[in-house]
Amino acid sequence: GAVVSQHPSWVICKSGTSVKIECRSLDFQATTMFWYRQFPKQSLMLMATSNEGSKATYEQGVEKDKFLINHASLTLSTLTVTSAHPEDSSFYICSAPDRPEAFFGQGTRLTVV
Amino acid sequence: GENVEQHPSTLSVQEGDSAVIKCTYSDSASNYFPWYKQELGKRPQLIIDIRSNVGEKKDQRIAVTLNKTAKHFSLHITETQPEDSAVYFCAATSKRTSYDKVIFGPGTSLSVIP
Repeated sequence: GAVVSQHPSWVICKSGTSVKIECRSLDFQATTMFWYRQFPKQSLMLMATSNEGSKATYEQGVEKDKFLINHASLTLSTLTVTSAHPEDSSFYICSAPDRPEAFFGQGTRLTVV
Repeated sequence: GENVEQHPSTLSVQEGDSAVIKCTYSDSASNYFPWYKQELGKRPQLIIDIRSNVGEKKDQRIAVTLNKTAKHFSLHITETQPEDSAVYFCAATSKRTSYDKVIFGPGTSLSVIP
C-alpha cells in the first residue's frame, strides 16, 4: 500500500511556542491530505482538509489561525500549532487518500508544558 | 455533514468467542466503508473494507456486512484471539466532494480475555 510519513513522532514544547508537524506521501501524489486530532480514549476527529495549492478547509470549531496548514507540494502538507497551550496536547495524525483507501502517518504526540 | 455512530463503546469477550461491532451512517452518498484497528499510540490500520455495491465481504476471521437501506454496517470477528485486543473504528467516506473525506465512528475498545 501507499506510504505516508509524519514527523516528528513526538514533541514537547513550552506553552506559547509554535510547533510544526510534517506529513509526506512517499510513493504517490496527494492533492488532498487530512489532519486529525485524537484525545486519549477518543476517536479521530477531523480538523481540516489540506488542499495542494489552495487554502485549507477547516471543520466547524477548529480555529484556522491557531492551526495553520500549508500544502505547498503534491507530497507535503504541514500543520503548525501556533501559540500552543496545554489543552492542545494531543495525538495529531495526517492521512492521504489513494482511492479508495486512506493511508495514515505515524502520528505525532504533542505535549505542551 | 456525515455522522457515524458506533456501538458498543467497549466489548469484552472470551478468547475463541465472536465479537460484533455495529455502525450506522447518516449520509446516503457514502459509498465506501473501511474498518480500522488502532493499537495504543499507533496509526490506524485498515483491516477490511466494503463498497456500497456489496452486501458482505469476508477475509479469514473477519467479515463485514452492509445494509444500505438501513445505513448500517457491522464488523464480525470470529475465533477471537488476545492479539485482537485493540480499538476498532468504523468509518464512512462520502464522494459528495471531489476528495474522499473519511469520517470515523467513536470507536470500540475490544478486550479478548485469554
